[in-house]
Amino acid sequence: KQEVTQIPAALSVPEGENLVLNCSFTDSAIYNLQWFRQDPGKGLTSLLLIQSSQREQTSGRLNASLDKSSGRSTLYIAASQPGDSATYLCAVRVGISSGSARQLTFGSGTQLTVLP
Amino acid sequence: DGGITQSPKYLFRKEGQNVTLSCEQNLNHDAMYWYRQDPGQGLRLIYYSQIVNDFQKGDIAEGYSVSREKKESFPLTVTSAQKNPTAFYLCASSSGFRGASNEKLFFGSGTQLSVL
Repeated sequence: KQEVTQIPAALSVPEGENLVLNCSFTDSAIYNLQWFRQDPGKGLTSLLLIQSSQREQTSGRLNASLDKSSGRSTLYIAASQPGDSATYLCAVRVGISSGSARQLTFGSGTQLTVLP
Repeated sequence: DGGITQSPKYLFRKEGQNVTLSCEQNLNHDAMYWYRQDPGQGLRLIYYSQIVNDFQKGDIAEGYSVSREKKESFPLTVTSAQKNPTAFYLCASSSGFRGASNEKLFFGSGTQLSVL
């Protein structure tokens, strides 16, 4: 069974710092990996999706990388801002079977605080 | 604007009472999902539907029921059989095209359910 781990559970950094969030998974046969942002009491907003054939995706100050062989993905945030404060979750999709919805596994997230 | 609408934002349940959470989407997505989120934990799948008039149990379906009579709507009923219903409930949708490695998940803003 796929397990997804995000360490640390919480992280505080000063404004302007570059930072890396980690996501590890146990089954390397993934189909894609998606990073989400969640603000308190809100739903999840998709940030980046990396297909299994890709190594990285970029959007603005965000860069997500994927290393399937080692079971790891990182989300790099450049020049962090207080508005980046939120919980960041990764989710891994395994397989494309008819029950594919059951194959999406979420990590428990990293709560990021960017201090002004 | 296209999106997913969940209502109500907050809901309170009395002992022995069934309550229904609403989820509507205008994204023309075939697939819809219900997730439960507990503090400090990842999302867990309750039910999902790949097409109208069809739905499947997720990992924690006991004590919940759903219907999918219309493509746009996927209501979730929390029954009295669910003994620990206090949680944040998230509805999501996706295009549902099987085999699309770039298929993204889109979320509503969530419903916080509490027991009185």
